Amino acid sequence: AQSVAQPEDQVNVAEGNPLTVKCTYSVSGNPYLFWYVQYPNRGLQFLLKYITGDNLVKGSYGFEAEFNKSQTSFHLKKPSALVSDSALYFCAVRVRLNQAGTALIFGKGTTLSVSS
Amino acid sequence: NAGVTQTPKFRILKIGQSMTLQCTQDMNHNYMYWYRQDPGMGLKLIYYSVGAGITDKGEVPNGYNVSRSTTEDFPLRLELAAPSQTSVYFCASREWDRGGLNTEAFFGQGTRLTVV
Repeated sequence: AQSVAQPEDQVNVAEGNPLTVKCTYSVSGNPYLFWYVQYPNRGLQFLLKYITGDNLVKGSYGFEAEFNKSQTSFHLKKPSALVSDSALYFCAVRVRLNQAGTALIFGKGTTLSVSS
Repeated sequence: NAGVTQTPKFRILKIGQSMTLQCTQDMNHNYMYWYRQDPGMGLKLIYYSVGAGITDKGEVPNGYNVSRSTTEDFPLRLELAAPSQTSVYFCASREWDRGGLNTEAFFGQGTRLTVV
């Protein structure tokens, strides 16, 4: 079965320290991977995606993600965390539903808490 | 730049009542999706559409119906509300993948529904 796992419900980090939010996936074929962020009472905002090419993908707000095919992982990273980065983060992978349609399946989400 | 607009933002329903969650997008996207978000569960796909007149079931379609008469609108119908449908509902859209560039989905702000 195709799936996405985010093994940590919560990640706590001090402001200025590097952060990592973990994601592993299981899909058939080449993975198309995404990270989204959700602030309280808001919709999901796109951060970055991996389709093909360079394993290190750069996205919005200074975030980046590293694709590792052998470990089937797509961890989200940031060199220096900000308090304003505190939010709920979702990893997602695109799957084919039928001949016509594709959709994202999501991990359960990881709450990032950055303390000052 | 309206993007994806959902109405209402909040609603309380009594068991057995019906309602329609509205979703409209102004980006001329072909794909539209309905997800529900439950705490600690991530997002689950309810229904999706690849274009006007074409809809299909996702992972959790029971108790819901959709229609897609226009490119812009993708309403979600609850016929007999049940407490299990208490959730936050998100509508999303994206355009066709162009030239190998896999496009990301844009999300609405969500509708928080409580069934009592």
